[in-house]
Amino acid sequence: DTAVSQTPKYLVTQMGNDKSIKCEQNLGHDTMYWYKQDSKKFLKIMFSYNNKELIINETVPNRFSPKSPDKAHLNLHINSLELGDSAVYFCASSQDGGLSEAFFGQGTRLTVV
Amino acid sequence: GQQVMQIPQYQHVQEGEDFTTYCNSSTTLSNIQWYKQRPGGHPVFLIQLVKSGEVKKQKRLTFQFGEAKKNSSLHITATQTTDVGTYFCAGYPGGKLIFGQGTELSVKP
Repeated sequence: DTAVSQTPKYLVTQMGNDKSIKCEQNLGHDTMYWYKQDSKKFLKIMFSYNNKELIINETVPNRFSPKSPDKAHLNLHINSLELGDSAVYFCASSQDGGLSEAFFGQGTRLTVV
Repeated sequence: GQQVMQIPQYQHVQEGEDFTTYCNSSTTLSNIQWYKQRPGGHPVFLIQLVKSGEVKKQKRLTFQFGEAKKNSSLHITATQTTDVGTYFCAGYPGGKLIFGQGTELSVKP
């Protein structure tokens, strides 16, 4: 069983569209994250949730809205997609925030055309 | 803001040469983690250091945590082609897991 799974793996869409990326973890972890990895490989934290509650919301455009229906799921919805949103988005989870190892999903490569 | 800085950004080595990447934080860290991301893959946890001055080894990899808990290093002895990838350090300043910029290692056979 995959510990942290994301869908879809690839997403190609036009500017202005709205899209969602789903993430599920079966590790029983309390904390989940979304990271954005740009072409230079930099991993930028976007959001952090602990037990379904938003803990960290970095300076991310409000077109990005995370939703956590339960502590095993953290979805990312993006409105009005822009070219600059093209990147790989990683979901991750850990038991004790940054005090224990984070497990990453395989990533979603988003291409906005 | 709180940052975790990592150098160098790229390192190209001949197979068999050693490799080191360095990580520095502007604040004292409670712990430091290291991850490896293979090309096209996702970051995978390697190790966590918690104690001041701690040194841990995993086969050819040696990890150090500075005395002041503000810097860390990863050293690979006698690199192999399987070591190719991007190595990230990650710290936990201010309640969030922040990654360094990563060091991309390429190994020429």
